[in-house]
Amino acid sequence: SYVLTQPPSVSVAPGKTARFTCGGDNIGDKRVHWYQQKPGQAPVLVIYSDNVRPSGIPERFSGSNSGTTATLTISRVEAGDEADYYCQVWDSDGDRVVFGGGAKLTVL
Amino acid sequence: QITLKESGPAFVKPTQTLTLTCAFSGLSVSTSGMSMGWIRQPPGKPLEWLALIYWDDEQRYRHSLQSRLTISRDTSANQIVLTMTDMDPVDTATYYCAVQLTADGFFHLWGRGTSVTVSS
Repeated sequence: SYVLTQPPSVSVAPGKTARFTCGGDNIGDKRVHWYQQKPGQAPVLVIYSDNVRPSGIPERFSGSNSGTTATLTISRVEAGDEADYYCQVWDSDGDRVVFGGGAKLTVL
Repeated sequence: QITLKESGPAFVKPTQTLTLTCAFSGLSVSTSGMSMGWIRQPPGKPLEWLALIYWDDEQRYRHSLQSRLTISRDTSANQIVLTMTDMDPVDTATYYCAVQLTADGFFHLWGRGTSVTVSS
């Protein structure tokens, strides 16, 4: 079964850059999607298909994907960015949706 | 504006069957190319995908739970339904429905979720 691995936490000072990695076997061959989930709220899509921002998502959010690692980058981090961030792919071999374990962003 | 609203019992007893509905507004569950799914999140734990149903009624399930899950569309009520049999306390979670508006494999929109506690 396909597994996505995320380091559980990222800490960054306001104004700095936060990077979240999502590891998976040949993940570069898949389209990776990212969700932001604030406490008590439903997830919100922030990046789809590796590097596309949905309407309404700030330009500070960007994504990349190559080899065995996909990355979500948040530039100029703000206190309001504190949340859990999940990566997700479609595993075509298993015909299923796969989520990573999530990473908590702490703004220092 | 598209909205999804989950509903169902807040409490179920072990061994009972859970039935959840997700009502769609602003979007037909019969829209070609679309798929709709259920994802759950136990308290303090990550998201866990459960099931997906396509506009043409094809279904996909989480392998480990496949024998307990059924996802269906109710076109007359414009909603999707999830049933999960033989509920256990480990199934305690917030259950979300979400929609994939295209075939690109991601969930464009999510409902607010509904909390389900399994306890005797």
